[in-house]
Amino acid sequence: GQSLEQPSEVTAVEGAIVQINCTYQTSGFYGLSWYQQHDGGAPTFLSYNALDGLEETGRFSSFLSRSDSYGYLLLQELQMKDSASYFCAVRVRGGSYIPTFGRGTSLIVHP
Amino acid sequence: DGGITQSPKYLFRKEGQNVTLSCEQNLNHDAMYWYRQDPGQGLRLIYYSQIVNDFQKGDIAEGYSVSREKKESFPLTVTSAQKNPTAFYLCASIADAGREEQFFGPGTRLTVL
Repeated sequence: GQSLEQPSEVTAVEGAIVQINCTYQTSGFYGLSWYQQHDGGAPTFLSYNALDGLEETGRFSSFLSRSDSYGYLLLQELQMKDSASYFCAVRVRGGSYIPTFGRGTSLIVHP
Repeated sequence: DGGITQSPKYLFRKEGQNVTLSCEQNLNHDAMYWYRQDPGQGLRLIYYSQIVNDFQKGDIAEGYSVSREKKESFPLTVTSAQKNPTAFYLCASIADAGREEQFFGPGTRLTVL
């Protein structure tokens, strides 16, 4: 099976930079995704990494190191609206797309 | 606008009753999924369907049933056999197995009294 570990909570101040880490143990790793979920809302897709390195999308970047079984989501210029839960999810090789999600990291942004 | 709809947003049922949660998508996506989310937990897969008239159990399928008679619809029935049904249920879809982005519905919060 697969297992993922994320910190349960991270706090930061508005305007700062924060990094949310995700380590995984899985066989047949294919890629790592990140989702954002506001309280009571639906998760929304942020990014996907299949290869080592950094992917940048506006204020958000995601990094993957396949050799270390590790990835992170980097949020820059934090805004109050970034307060949410962030989930990493692994995809394994195979015909069906069945992601396994981590337990999520609650990001609290203070003014 | 294309998207996934789930209804109702909040649902209350008495213990021992079966209840069906609706999930409809107009994205023309092949694959659909049902997840359960409990406080402080990630998303746990209940059932998924890659094509019409076919579905497979996920990690926590016991006490649940699904059908996929139409491409756009994937209803979930929470049966009386589910020991702890109170949770937030999320439906999702993906265009095809080659894509990475799952699209989620707004969720149904089920409370069993």
